[in-house]
Amino acid sequence: SQQGEEDPQALSIQEGENATMNCSYKTSINNLQWYRQNSGRGLVHLILIRSNEREKHSGRLRVTLDTSKKSSSLLITASRAADTASYFCATDASSSGAGSYQLTFGKGTKLSVIP
Amino acid sequence: DVKVTQSSRYLVKRTGEKVFLECVQDMDHENMFWYRQDPGLGLRLIYFSYDVKMKEKGDIPEGYSVSREKKERFSLILESASTNQTSMYLCASSWAFLDRDHNNSPLHFGNGTRLTVT
Repeated sequence: SQQGEEDPQALSIQEGENATMNCSYKTSINNLQWYRQNSGRGLVHLILIRSNEREKHSGRLRVTLDTSKKSSSLLITASRAADTASYFCATDASSSGAGSYQLTFGKGTKLSVIP
Repeated sequence: DVKVTQSSRYLVKRTGEKVFLECVQDMDHENMFWYRQDPGLGLRLIYFSYDVKMKEKGDIPEGYSVSREKKERFSLILESASTNQTSMYLCASSWAFLDRDHNNSPLHFGNGTRLTVT
């Protein structure tokens, strides 16, 4: 069952611009993770944000989480051609607050950064 | 760095064949997962395993089985391949489901096996 849904489905920007991707989910979570997938490759973990956190940074990545709106955003600043990839959010499907063994992924946002 | 290795990048099989997809991880992770990825559907969990010889069904287990005889190896088996099982198959591992704050451990993925069933 799909939990996270990314928006937009595709995004095209010029190198140096910022890229923002959004993720919405349906049920309460303990944490939310973002992954990147280069074409034809596996997914690579980028960042995890806990439900009691509102913002987290890692290099050029900034993730926000709004549990009241059940949404998260991933901002990539000063984008580079190498950032071209698909980006996925993943959530645990927690209903009890005890967490879930299963991570559920969205369908992804395909980001193209034009040199 | 964690390495998750899937034995084949590309595989072509005929309808009705029994297909084995192999995955090996080198970090002594307890948990291993098989996902399939299809355009417009994203990643869907087929099966996962939290210990040797232990397995749990994911969202779409029909037509698949798994085997975990050793901690580092997790095999996905298509008992009788069908054309609707043509897909990208991704294996992943993690060291534990939940940390003490109930947060999931990050998954480490292999590079995938693109299976075509004709």
